[in-house]
Amino acid sequence: EPEVTQTPSHQVTQMGQEVILRCVPISNHLYFYWYRQILGQKVEFLVSFYNNEISEKSEIFDDQFSVERPDGSNFTLKIRSTKLEDSAMYFCASTLTEKNSPLHFGNGTRLTVT
Amino acid sequence: AQSVSQHNHHVILSEAASLELGCNYSYGGTVNLFWYVQYPGQHLQLLLKYFSGDPLVKGIKGFEAEFIKSKFSFNLRKPSVQWSDTAEYFCAVENRGGGADGLTFGKGTHLIIQP
Repeated sequence: EPEVTQTPSHQVTQMGQEVILRCVPISNHLYFYWYRQILGQKVEFLVSFYNNEISEKSEIFDDQFSVERPDGSNFTLKIRSTKLEDSAMYFCASTLTEKNSPLHFGNGTRLTVT
Repeated sequence: AQSVSQHNHHVILSEAASLELGCNYSYGGTVNLFWYVQYPGQHLQLLLKYFSGDPLVKGIKGFEAEFIKSKFSFNLRKPSVQWSDTAEYFCAVENRGGGADGLTFGKGTHLIIQP
């Protein structure tokens, strides 16, 4: 069964550094999402992406965040200047359509900002 | 590593039927438990969560879930479903100890309610 893959599984970075979290969605999927979960809290929506542009973003997704689909397979989340409070698990997800199509999650990238 | 099993990938029910979606996890330590829902065209929303205390937790829209520690289960229930409950439901488990496992999602159950 095809899967969404995320790399790396764990990323440690220093405050102020830029990080790029990578996701390879399922190949024929068209809608892509990033979520994050701060440990002990609920999963929070960050951004959705369709047709090479952001379709929706949350208040969390401020100017330090950006997403990109640089080629036909990767979907990246960039955090420009990391803060301690960016430490979280970041989940990528993809789906074929928005209506009645299963959402597939990756296993997540644990980001630790020191 | 933690794993989360949702037994049914697709469930089709008629309106007013009772619902129970199964969720089992593997890690034997202390866990936080969640059910999330994604309605068509929307992003993920929290239905309910269990951290500690009463193992029967009530969430939004009439949903409840029961944590049975001896069975490593956290099944989602609703006594009478509505057409608007058509959505995908995800069980998720977080190891309290943290670490690389963090939160693990089940593969989801696609629920279709027929009018």
